[in-house]
Amino acid sequence: AQSVTQLGSHVSVSEGALVLLRCNYSSSVPPYLFWYVQYPNQGLQLLLKYTSAATLVKGINGFEAEFKKSETSFHLTKPSAHMSDAAEYFCAVSFTGFQKLVFGTGTRLLVSP
Amino acid sequence: ETGVTQSPTHLIKTRGQQVTLRCSSQSGHNTVSWYQQALGQGPQFIFQYYREEENGRGNFPPRFSGLQFPNYSSELNVNALELDDSALYLCASSLGGGEAETQYFGPGTRLLVL
Repeated sequence: AQSVTQLGSHVSVSEGALVLLRCNYSSSVPPYLFWYVQYPNQGLQLLLKYTSAATLVKGINGFEAEFKKSETSFHLTKPSAHMSDAAEYFCAVSFTGFQKLVFGTGTRLLVSP
Repeated sequence: ETGVTQSPTHLIKTRGQQVTLRCSSQSGHNTVSWYQQALGQGPQFIFQYYREEENGRGNFPPRFSGLQFPNYSSELNVNALELDDSALYLCASSLGGGEAETQYFGPGTRLLVL
């Protein structure tokens, strides 16, 4: 079965530090990959998505992610964390012929001054 | 452009009752998907509607049912509520039901079953 694994339920960084949130997927067919962010008491907002064009995808708020087929990964990065980046981040995947998103369990990003 | 809206924002029910949650899609979107997000978990797909027809279903029992109306708004109905149904219910709309389509999420309805 297709699945998504997010390593680390919590990630803590200092303001200005590199942000790295990890996502690995399992699939025997090419996937479509998404990163969503969820602020407290809000729905999910799309940060970026990979749909088999460029392997390095740039999103909103300075985030980007790189699709690595050999590692089945789609890690999210941001060069310099900001206090406003503190939120829950979800990696999600969909597959050809399946009209649904499969989400990981999420990673809570904590940013300290 | 109006985004995805959901009502109510919060709801408290007792076990065995029935509940209806509502969703208005983003303007121009003909597809709506519903997800259940339990506390501390990622959202789980319940089902999707495309042009008023069910277009895919996740691993949820039949007591979870839905409707999509001609204006593409949608309802999620849950019968015979159980304690484990307590969760945030998210509605997402998209232009088409394809796997590469971006789904735009509403703020959710938080349901508590006592």
